[in-house]
Amino acid sequence: AQKVTQAQTEISVVEKEDVTLDCVYETRDTTYYLFWYKQPPSGELVFLIRRNSFDEQNEISGRYSWNFQKSTSSFNFTITASQVVDSAVYFCALSGTITGGGNKLTFGTGTQLKVEL
Amino acid sequence: EAQVTQNPRYLITVTGKKLTVTCSQNMNHEYMSWYRQDPGLGLRQIYYSMNVEVTDKGDVPEGYKVSRKEKRNFPLILESPSPNQTSLYFCASSLNGKGASSPLHFGNGTRLTVT
Repeated sequence: AQKVTQAQTEISVVEKEDVTLDCVYETRDTTYYLFWYKQPPSGELVFLIRRNSFDEQNEISGRYSWNFQKSTSSFNFTITASQVVDSAVYFCALSGTITGGGNKLTFGTGTQLKVEL
Repeated sequence: EAQVTQNPRYLITVTGKKLTVTCSQNMNHEYMSWYRQDPGLGLRQIYYSMNVEVTDKGDVPEGYKVSRKEKRNFPLILESPSPNQTSLYFCASSLNGKGASSPLHFGNGTRLTVT
């Protein structure tokens, strides 16, 4: 079975601080994809990144960066110089190739990030 | 514009009154699915469809029905809603259902309250 754990339920930071959101996953698949989504207060899901299991290079996109470590089954997300607009719930998700459900995503429980002035 | 459209965005209903949440995609996607989101549980798959007339249960199908008569539409039906179905619902689609080979596109969500 697949599982995604986001142990941090809620994080509060002051604007301009860096913050890291943790994600640990479990899967028996050898080929799988990892995702991060942002859910602002308006409720929609905003896709941030998709990374396949064969690509362990870290990725940076503006203030966002992702650290994928297969050895520890982790896919952590760092926001540098956080801003109030970063306040949202962030979900980590996993999709494999042998798990049922078709193109199914297994989501973590989410981390609520609050960025205050 | 490529999109997944859900309606309504907000719905308040009473226990036992049948309702349908519609989902439509304009990308000619074969695969569609429904998720529900609950606090502390993340998103969980309700039903999915690999193609027209092919549907199957996800992780939490009890109390729901779906149909896939046309490729673009995948309505979620609650025959007799109960308060424990109060949730935020998302429809999603992708080119095909081969796990993770094509990205999922999500609708904007339907917030359902059953009193």
